[in-house]
Amino acid sequence: QQPVQSPQAVILREGEDAVINCSSSKALYSVHWYRQKHGEAPVFLMILLKGGEQKGHEKISASFNEKKQQSSLYLTASQLSYSGTYFCGTEKRAYNTDKLIFGTGTRLQVFP
Amino acid sequence: NAGVTQTPKFQVLKTGQSMTLQCAQDMNHEYMSWYRQDPGMGLRLIHYSVGAGITDQGEVPNGYNVSRSTTEDFPLRLLSAAPSQTSVYFCASSYSQESQPQHFGDGTRLSIL
Repeated sequence: QQPVQSPQAVILREGEDAVINCSSSKALYSVHWYRQKHGEAPVFLMILLKGGEQKGHEKISASFNEKKQQSSLYLTASQLSYSGTYFCGTEKRAYNTDKLIFGTGTRLQVFP
Repeated sequence: NAGVTQTPKFQVLKTGQSMTLQCAQDMNHEYMSWYRQDPGMGLRLIHYSVGAGITDQGEVPNGYNVSRSTTEDFPLRLLSAAPSQTSVYFCASSYSQESQPQHFGDGTRLSIL
């Protein structure tokens, strides 16, 4: 089952913050985050493993709450380069990267 | 190091035709997978492979076949193309069994008339 992402779309001005959520009805082992620019392939941002850890990548960070089966991606002080569609991918079991199931995506647009 | 290479980049087919989308990686990755991307539906897993000689079905396998005779190559075959298979197809690979980043190819844009 596909994880559910919210919101579906976000419009920001440069410097503003945003949060993208990803939730699943199933118990999760890990959550992946990817960004895709229009007409390009998805690019890996980060993986969060079971344990509720928080990770960071430049001014983009994420958290994973395995009890709530949710992950959130935090974009702070957004830049024009952050524009794109963000996908979360979820794994239900350990050692099962091949069963990575993606959400439907959140489209982020950053304007000057 | 080319990463994940997909060919062709664009293809137009007539309904009922068959074709093979090629995917090759030069990173010695064990895991390879095929996704299709349609507007509003994200990336949906078609088939995947955990190593040479081993394949399994994903979320939307109907109408597609795969094989993995070598570690490097993972072709996707459309047996009898249908308009519903018009999509962008991405091949991805990752290093090992543990949760690892997926490396995506540039995609194949396929139109079925």
